[in-house]
Amino acid sequence: GAVVSQHPSRVICKSGTSVKIECRSLDFQATTMFWYRQFPKKSLMLMATSNEGSKATYEQGVEKDKFLINHASLTLSTLTVTSAHPEDSSFYICSAMGRLSSGNTIYFGEGSWLTVV
Amino acid sequence: GENVEQHPSTLSVQEGDSAVIKCTYSDSASNYFPWYKQELGKGPQLIIDIRSNVGEKKDQRIAVTLNKTAKHFSLHITETQPEDSAVYFCAASFTGNQFYFGTGTSLTVIP
Repeated sequence: GAVVSQHPSRVICKSGTSVKIECRSLDFQATTMFWYRQFPKKSLMLMATSNEGSKATYEQGVEKDKFLINHASLTLSTLTVTSAHPEDSSFYICSAMGRLSSGNTIYFGEGSWLTVV
Repeated sequence: GENVEQHPSTLSVQEGDSAVIKCTYSDSASNYFPWYKQELGKGPQLIIDIRSNVGEKKDQRIAVTLNKTAKHFSLHITETQPEDSAVYFCAASFTGNQFYFGTGTSLTVIP
């Protein structure tokens, strides 16, 4: 199946600093990528939809100035958590929309654990 | 918009038994239904999917059935093994541009 790579898999940062997470589609072009946040034993919470070459669409309640999303190419989207605080600690997952012969589907990255200390 | 409900939230089965997870959706226009398996600390992986033009699809021990009239679809895992233990998510999509996820089912296969 299609591969979506997410980096870093784990990151620890200090309060007040920013951290960037990358999401790459390795073997297909993804015009649309999604960013999720997942709390322990909870479902996926969609944060934003990222379209190549345009501004991301954020879900209600997600601060766009805090969670900066850039989708500069058809294979790369980045999520930057700015001025991180301990409550931003979470598991962040990206996904990329890829096309099967039968239609579109979503492939997920491996996720990134963010710990803010 | 679409609303996807998933049941049960937790499921424990003996190794070798079957496991069934069910999802219902609200938008009759939805026509694509993928299932994902998420192991602890990892991202979800697509394991099987079905489109609305078929009623059933099977891949070895995994099968998915779709009832468009009742607007529900189910994941069936036969001959369960400990490595099947994970969280499973269903999803529904209409255009393939927006996906709505269920809340997940934590499956435990007891050896």
